Amino acid sequence: QKEVEQDPGPLSVPEGAIVSLNCTYSNSAFQYFMWYRQYSRKGPELLMYTYSSGNKEDGRFTAQVDKSSKYISLFIRDSQPSDSATYLCAGCLTSGSRLTFGEGTQLTVNP
Amino acid sequence: DAGVIQSPRHEVTEMGQEVTLRCKPISGHDYLFWYRQTMMRGLELLIYFNNNVPIDDSGMPEDRFSAKMPNASFSTLKIQPSEPRDSAVYFCASSFPAEGNTIYFGEGSWLTVV
Repeated sequence: QKEVEQDPGPLSVPEGAIVSLNCTYSNSAFQYFMWYRQYSRKGPELLMYTYSSGNKEDGRFTAQVDKSSKYISLFIRDSQPSDSATYLCAGCLTSGSRLTFGEGTQLTVNP
Repeated sequence: DAGVIQSPRHEVTEMGQEVTLRCKPISGHDYLFWYRQTMMRGLELLIYFNNNVPIDDSGMPEDRFSAKMPNASFSTLKIQPSEPRDSAVYFCASSFPAEGNTIYFGEGSWLTVV
């Protein structure tokens, strides 16, 4: 079993839709959780970072972590064509330690 | 800051040849990571360094792979001899934990072994 599981998609939505991206993880020791966005032929870039359980909001993006169910979510409101990318969730034990990534979900937002 | 700089961006080489990938981390970052990305396996951590010292190399696939970090501003990942199954995108990343565990990735080195 992979430590971080993510539905690879692809996921296609119309512009303006609310997008929900989800991951599950198996390592209960994970403390830090991240969402990265990766455009085609580019390196991943950090979108959101949360510590332990809870919600974090940044503009149109909201990250949620539920440690009791080992579930990580990313919500995108008012999705835009520029949001079309692969989204990767990741977890790690402590600050600076290795990140373990899900396989990524490919998202397309159609104008 | 210019970000994490990797070279070469693209390389096509023949099976059996030596491949050397290079990375310059962001100045001041004390962690450096090498990841490999493929369609089949996603992003996998190969090795990471803290203050130029290798901390965890359990992801290095086999003895054909080696990584060095001779100083805080330079790291190499070497594959010798290369095989077609090594074809992948290799990413270097760096971080400074006091910044909240943000890991910054380079643009990647796209390797094709024929």
